[in-house]
Order: sequence, then C-alpha cells, then structure tokens
Amino acid sequence: RKEVEQDPGPFNVPEGATVAFNCTYSNSASQSFFWYRQDCRKEPKLLMSVYSSGNEDGRFTAQLNRASQYISLLIRDSKLSDSATYLCVVTPFSGGYNKLIFGAGTRLAVHP
Amino acid sequence: DADVTQTPRNRITKTGKRIMLECSQTKGHDRMYWYRQDPGLGLQLIYYSFDVKDINKGEISDGYSVSRQAQAKFSLSLESAIPNQTALYFCATSDSSTGRFEQFFGPGTRLTVL
Repeated sequence: RKEVEQDPGPFNVPEGATVAFNCTYSNSASQSFFWYRQDCRKEPKLLMSVYSSGNEDGRFTAQLNRASQYISLLIRDSKLSDSATYLCVVTPFSGGYNKLIFGAGTRLAVHP
Repeated sequence: DADVTQTPRNRITKTGKRIMLECSQTKGHDRMYWYRQDPGLGLQLIYYSFDVKDINKGEISDGYSVSRQAQAKFSLSLESAIPNQTALYFCATSDSSTGRFEQFFGPGTRLTVL
C-alpha cells in the first residue's frame, strides 16, 4: 500500500464549479499535512497547510480527519487558472527528520 | 530573482556520462533536498542535507552522489548516467528554525539519458 494515495483524476469541471479531492495516508503517527499545487512541468508550490481544525484560504478549504486518516481539499468557484495537479503531502513522525511523503497527485482541468 | 535556482534547466546526455546538477538558494535555509519525479509517481527523495557537514541518503540514492559546498549550494551528480535516470529533478529547501516542515522547490532540471 502506498503511504499517500490520491485519485489521479483527471477531474474535468466547468468554471464556477465546486470540486473536492481526497487523500488517504497510511501512517497514523503522521504529524503535518500539506497541499501543494504543481503546474505542468513546473515545480510544486505550497498551496496550504492542513490543520486539525480545518482551515480556509479564500476559495480553498482543507480538512483533516485523523481517525480515518484522510485529508481533503475543496475548491469553490473554480477558475481556469486552478487547472493543475494537486499533491497531497504528509510528514510522518520519524525522530530527527520529518521527511515529506508526496502523493502522485490529482489532476484538475477547469474548462470554460 | 528566484529564491531557489537550478542549473541546467534541461540536459540531454548519453549513457555512461557523468552529469552534475546544481542548486543554489538565497532563502537562508539550512536544509536542502534533491528529488526526482517520474510520470505518475510522487516525488522521490534522493538525498538530503541538514547542513554542510550533514548529508543523508534518501529513498533512491543508488547511482547518485551529492556535495554540499556551502549552506546555499547543493549539487547532485550522476556518476555514470543510465536511461532510467531520465526524469525531472527538483531541489528543495526548508528552514528548521521555524518548526514547520514545508519545503520550497527550485524550477527543476529535465534530464534525458539516451
């Protein structure tokens, strides 16, 4: 089983739609959680951290469910510019070094 | 100017050649990382360095070596390149003093080994 699993998509949605991605992780001791965005052939960029209480940044809402070991990202009012691959990232506790474990990503395509 | 830079951005080479990829950062971060990305796979950690004298192997270090020449510079070498090392390579940095774990990536190097 992969440490971080995501539906690869693609999710094809019209502008203005609401879309949600889920991600599951296998290590119950994981400490930190992030969503990164990656445009085609570009570097991953931090979209937002995911906190236990859930957090919102404009049109983006991230939630964490530790009991079920999944993380979600909700995008409201989708824009064409939201088209990208969204990477779920988890930091398992490992003593002195908290490495990042990346999911393979979920591709989103927003069309007019 | 970009905070994390990588050179070259694209490279085509032949099997058996030695290749060096370079990474520089102006963020003042102490930790640096090298990843590779293959289509359909998550980023895989090759090597990481906590400071100039602390270098560690990641998940897929075989066939690679690194050098941390200064806090701001971290190079990745392929001693004898092979075709399955064709991939997109990213350098990343993080700041251990913040207590946070997010990493910041360079623009990537696209390497093709023929």
